[in-house]
Amino acid sequence: DIQMTQSPSSMSASLGDTVTITCLASQDIGNYLSWYQQKPGKSPKLMIYGATNLEDGVPSRFSGSRSGSDYSLTINSLGYDDEGIYHCHQYYEYPLTFGSGTKLEIK
Amino acid sequence: QVKLQQSGAELVKPGASVKLSCKTSGYTFSTSYMSWFKQIPGQSIEWIGMIYAGDGGTGYNQKFKGKATLTVDTSSSTAYMDLSSLTTEDSAVYFCAEGGRAPFDYWGQGVMVTVSS
Repeated sequence: DIQMTQSPSSMSASLGDTVTITCLASQDIGNYLSWYQQKPGKSPKLMIYGATNLEDGVPSRFSGSRSGSDYSLTINSLGYDDEGIYHCHQYYEYPLTFGSGTKLEIK
Repeated sequence: QVKLQQSGAELVKPGASVKLSCKTSGYTFSTSYMSWFKQIPGQSIEWIGMIYAGDGGTGYNQKFKGKATLTVDTSSSTAYMDLSSLTTEDSAVYFCAEGGRAPFDYWGQGVMVTVSS
């Protein structure tokens, strides 16, 4: 199975800050990588797909990038609504796998 | 609009089975895939498997073979997941999501399954 190593596991940032969350894939997954935001008690919400493509309706403050096997989610100009857990997800091959999640707190 | 409505929370005894449902609307269920996921609160998400509503064909994560059985009822546009021989390790939130592999745009609201005597 493809392992997705996500970091950090948690982070705290201030309003207006820029933060970056990363995932390292254990093998090549091409650009078959998506990012989800999850609020407490809710289902995951698709934010980024194809490593760099912004899902419709997602603010342009969110962006995805790739450098080799490292995938990153960057959030600019943090707002309170950005609090939640962020998950990376590879859909290159089965079984589909997810990172361990990053809990983002806004100070 | 696309909606996936999951059944309510379940409290079941160890060793029992439970059948979860995911009723859909707003798209053509009979030619679509449905995937199921497990999430223990505070932990990461696991993919259980998927089913193609067109012919009932399934694909499972090896970890959940023998534990989960996916079925569909195209007449009611509903997907089901049977979980058998439940243990406390099966206590989790279970989600359905439209699709078999592609990024998942549409999710059910999730259902909490608690296994306890």
